[in-house]
Amino acid sequence: NAGVTQTPKFQVLKTGQSMTLQCAQDMNHNSMYWYRQDPGMGLRLIYYSASEGTTDKGEVPNGYNVSRLNKREFSLRLESAAPSQTSVYFCASSRSAGGAETQYFGPGTRLLVL
Amino acid sequence: DAKTTQPTSMDCAEGRAANLPCNHSTISGNEYVYWYRQIHSQGPQYIIHGLKNNETNEMASLIITEDRKSSTLILPHATLRDTAVYYCIVRVENTGFQKLVFGTGTRLLVSP
Repeated sequence: NAGVTQTPKFQVLKTGQSMTLQCAQDMNHNSMYWYRQDPGMGLRLIYYSASEGTTDKGEVPNGYNVSRLNKREFSLRLESAAPSQTSVYFCASSRSAGGAETQYFGPGTRLLVL
Repeated sequence: DAKTTQPTSMDCAEGRAANLPCNHSTISGNEYVYWYRQIHSQGPQYIIHGLKNNETNEMASLIITEDRKSSTLILPHATLRDTAVYYCIVRVENTGFQKLVFGTGTRLLVSP
């Protein structure tokens, strides 16, 4: 089992460019999440998908869109990147979105917006 | 979610037990205590969780006080690879969505 995988590992964008961060899990989990982590801070939830076919906003959704492509894959899109979106992005999955479910995290994508 | 308070940093000698405290004085009766850790540049990793009783798994032990207002994560024989930021989180067990609220955690440095 690869667990949660993310691509790319690192990306540099210019302001205004767009890109899509990819995430896939092979644990047959129903729920998936996107977080961002800024230097010296904890993780903040951007969007989540409680189950295939559903997505909901988290704490910091502005400037992002998501797609739950199928049960395995959950992508995060930046339509017009801004320097404030420079961060490390983590994808996670869990069996369900219920409160006690353990979340499993991917290795992260480091994004620099110039 | 109840707020948690953790020391900013701690040191531990390799091979010794690392005891990481967490205060959660406003915890509710149906809230679990979870611990995650984040090794530098990696995604957070689940360690252990508990409600009332002490818990142990292959990674660590969790000791929760009787009044549930504080807990301690114990790494019995810390290694250099245990150097990481450790997050204490409280969450309600229910069927509805609950986000993980990460604070700033405790930065544990394990030294030779």
